[in-house]
Amino acid sequence: AQSVTQPDIHITVSEGASLELRCNYSYGATPYLFWYVQSPGQGLQLLLKYFSGDTLVQGIKGFEAEFKRSQSSFNLRKPSVHWSDAAEYFCAVGGDTGNQFYFGTGTSLTVIP
Amino acid sequence: KAGVTQTPRYLIKTRGQQVTLSCSPISGHRSVSWYQQTPGQGLQFLFEYFSETQRNKGNFPGRFSGRQFSNSRSEMNVSTLELGDSALYLCASSLQTGSTEAFFGQGTRLTVV
Repeated sequence: AQSVTQPDIHITVSEGASLELRCNYSYGATPYLFWYVQSPGQGLQLLLKYFSGDTLVQGIKGFEAEFKRSQSSFNLRKPSVHWSDAAEYFCAVGGDTGNQFYFGTGTSLTVIP
Repeated sequence: KAGVTQTPRYLIKTRGQQVTLSCSPISGHRSVSWYQQTPGQGLQFLFEYFSETQRNKGNFPGRFSGRQFSNSRSEMNVSTLELGDSALYLCASSLQTGSTEAFFGQGTRLTVV
């Protein structure tokens, strides 16, 4: 069965510092992987996606993620964090049928000035 | 291009009542999925509708139901509300079915008292 693990419940970084959010997935075939961001009281905004091809994918807001099949990981990175990046980040994997996504429990990001 | 519209944004209901939530997907999108988000369980898939047919269903009791209209708008209904149904209900719109990228609405915050 598909599943996603985000090991870090909460991360605090200083503004301007680099960021890496971890995501590990469990899926039998080639996965469809996604990162979403959620601000308080809002819906989810798609940051980036991986379907196939180049394992380093670029997203919006300066985020990128790298798919590593050998490690079953899809970690999200940003070289320099801005205060506006403070939010909840969710990693998700697509299911076998339809548009059913399996989400991780999320990582809450705090940015300190 | 308008995004995903969910109405109402906030709702307070009493235990035992029923509720209907609405979702208008992005124009041209034919797949609508519903998710329940709670602090304890995270994001859980409820069901997906594509071309007015339920494609996939998550592990929720029969009190949770949905439907999709010919214009792709979708409604979900929860009957005999319980306190534990208090959650943020998110609708996701996709062009097609099959683990394509999904665009989320801002959600409906349901509080059951």
